[in-house]
Amino acid sequence: NAGVTQTPKFRILKIGQSMTLQCTQDMNHNYMYWYRQDPGMGLKLIYYSVGAGITDKGEVPNGYNVSRSTTEDFPLRLELAAPSQTSVYFCASILTLGYEQYFGPGTRLTVT
Amino acid sequence: GQQLNQSPQSMFIQEGEDVSMNCTSSSIFNTWLWYKQDPGEGPVLLIALYKAGELTSNGRLTAQFGITRKDSFLNISASIPSDVGIYFCAGQVDTGNQFYFGTGTSLTVIP
Repeated sequence: NAGVTQTPKFRILKIGQSMTLQCTQDMNHNYMYWYRQDPGMGLKLIYYSVGAGITDKGEVPNGYNVSRSTTEDFPLRLELAAPSQTSVYFCASILTLGYEQYFGPGTRLTVT
Repeated sequence: GQQLNQSPQSMFIQEGEDVSMNCTSSSIFNTWLWYKQDPGEGPVLLIALYKAGELTSNGRLTAQFGITRKDSFLNISASIPSDVGIYFCAGQVDTGNQFYFGTGTSLTVIP
């Protein structure tokens, strides 16, 4: 198993541009999560999904959108990038509640 | 959102020393987790706690789920250079699917 994979690893965006951060897991996990980590801070939940077709907002959802059309994929969309969205983004998944949360390697995004 | 206070923020210790860090919450959690993050990597789970009062070990690491369900502790015994990294606590509230993370403890081990 590859576990949780994220692409791209790094990206620089100009203000107002849009992009999609990709996340894929091959462990048949039901739950998937998107977090952002600002320098020197813990992870903040952006969105999560409990299964295909179901998504819900986390602590900091503004400026982001997600979809979950398959169990494997959980892309995160930024429509109008802003400097405040400069951060490291982590995707994670778990089989179900009470099980270990596996993290991807992260995407480092800079908006200038 | 839920507030998790983690302390200390950073630690500088000599190799071989023991380390203690803790995490407190204003809310009750039914799961406490401890992660380690190396530079440029995602967090990796060290220990998971599911029951108030639970004490769990993983090698030189020991973590406890506080009786009040509002705190947790992580101890590392006989530290070694590869223990260097940032340690995060995370909790899950009694209902819902969200995990909340502390702000991290940065550990530096001096050989």
